[in-house]
Amino acid sequence: GENVEQHPSTLSVQEGDSAVIKCTYSDSASNYFPWYKQELGKRPQLIIDIRSNVGEKKDQRIAVTLNKTAKHFSLHITETQPEDSAVYFCAASKAGGGNKLTFGTGTQLKVEL
Amino acid sequence: DVKVTQSSRYLVKRTGEKVFLECVQDMDHENMFWYRQDPGLGLRLIYFSYDVKMKEKGDIPEGYSVSREKKERFSLILESASTNQTSMYLCASSSGYGNQPQHFGDGTRLSIL
Repeated sequence: GENVEQHPSTLSVQEGDSAVIKCTYSDSASNYFPWYKQELGKRPQLIIDIRSNVGEKKDQRIAVTLNKTAKHFSLHITETQPEDSAVYFCAASKAGGGNKLTFGTGTQLKVEL
Repeated sequence: DVKVTQSSRYLVKRTGEKVFLECVQDMDHENMFWYRQDPGLGLRLIYFSYDVKMKEKGDIPEGYSVSREKKERFSLILESASTNQTSMYLCASSSGYGNQPQHFGDGTRLSIL
């Protein structure tokens, strides 16, 4: 089955700096890659997703890049703010099979003032 | 807005008890999922369902079963609770048409004493 590895497990940045979280996947048939943000005590919420027919997607300060050949994708957060502090999860899935997602183990991002 | 509701935020049970965790979604989604979330391990899929009365094992189904008698409701059952099932349980749902984002409930923190 699919295996998703996520790095780093913890990341500390100064407010205003950029943060990058990287994930690799094993199944070349995977074609959908969402990113979730989970604040302390709250549910995971989708922040951005990308499909395999595009290489990059951007939404304000958040961007995701996908390299299908290398089977890795990354989340980029620019101009980080304290409210960006949370755990971020990457995931991968392929068409069919009930849209089952395989998640990475998460990155604890801390934005320091 | 998608609403996924889990019946309890906190639950305390004793070893050997039969435990039911309930999840209801209001978006007529075909797919529903049960995850377990433990520190450092991310979200691990227990079971999922892509239609009424249909179920598929996820990555860690041992010790669990599920029931989906109605489209909007997906129940997770711990047949005989054990202390190693103490965890945060998250329910999610998604549309069945192509790869679609999963929407999560607030979670149930289950403690088995």
